[in-house]
Amino acid sequence: DQQVKQNSPSLSVQEGRISILNCDYTNSMFDYFLWYKKYPAEGPTFLISISSIKDKNEDGRFTVFLNKSAKHLSLHIVPSQPGDSAVYFCAAPINNDMRFGAGTRLTVKP
Amino acid sequence: DAGITQSPRHKVTETGTPVTLRCHQTENHRYMYWYRQDPGHGLRLIHYSYGVKDTDKGEVSDGYSVSRSKTEDFLLTLESATSSQTSVYFCAIIQTGRGGRTEAFFGQGTRLTVV
Repeated sequence: DQQVKQNSPSLSVQEGRISILNCDYTNSMFDYFLWYKKYPAEGPTFLISISSIKDKNEDGRFTVFLNKSAKHLSLHIVPSQPGDSAVYFCAAPINNDMRFGAGTRLTVKP
Repeated sequence: DAGITQSPRHKVTETGTPVTLRCHQTENHRYMYWYRQDPGHGLRLIHYSYGVKDTDKGEVSDGYSVSRSKTEDFLLTLESATSSQTSVYFCAIIQTGRGGRTEAFFGQGTRLTVV
């Protein structure tokens, strides 16, 4: 039962443009969401989070939007840079565990 | 960085052999986790531990066992490795800070290939 879903396995954008990564969830009990970034041969690292009491959280070039009624969140990266090329996971903690989406591989082309 | 190290970083083993992966943490975290990462599946929980000698199964625990005899070490064992266990394995701790924010911190991963 994959409670957190990322339906796009890959995304390619041009440097300087916006990258939009999407995530859907099914469990209404989730009240906090995180995005992780993963480079090859490294462990995932925390990028940005959002609480369910908010609909937007911004940190520099990264903004996460939450639509609770649609059970959908998205990560926007503006402007995208080649160094942003990585796999991005959305995640939600529940019951001392963390549920992860399948990940989206972002490629930013120079 | 939550002081998590995994060993080995890479391993190739033959089908049917036992394999043990080690996760070591230096910050006295109570909860420790083993995930595997596979294309199309993201990170899936294998087992976790909520204290010394206290462990529980995750969603993909078949074929794996764990042990935690000390707070700092969490071992993942494949009793008889199969090709379906070829994966990248991540150890993690999950902690909730004072502000109520829950966050996972990961080791660098172990790439296991079963031939």
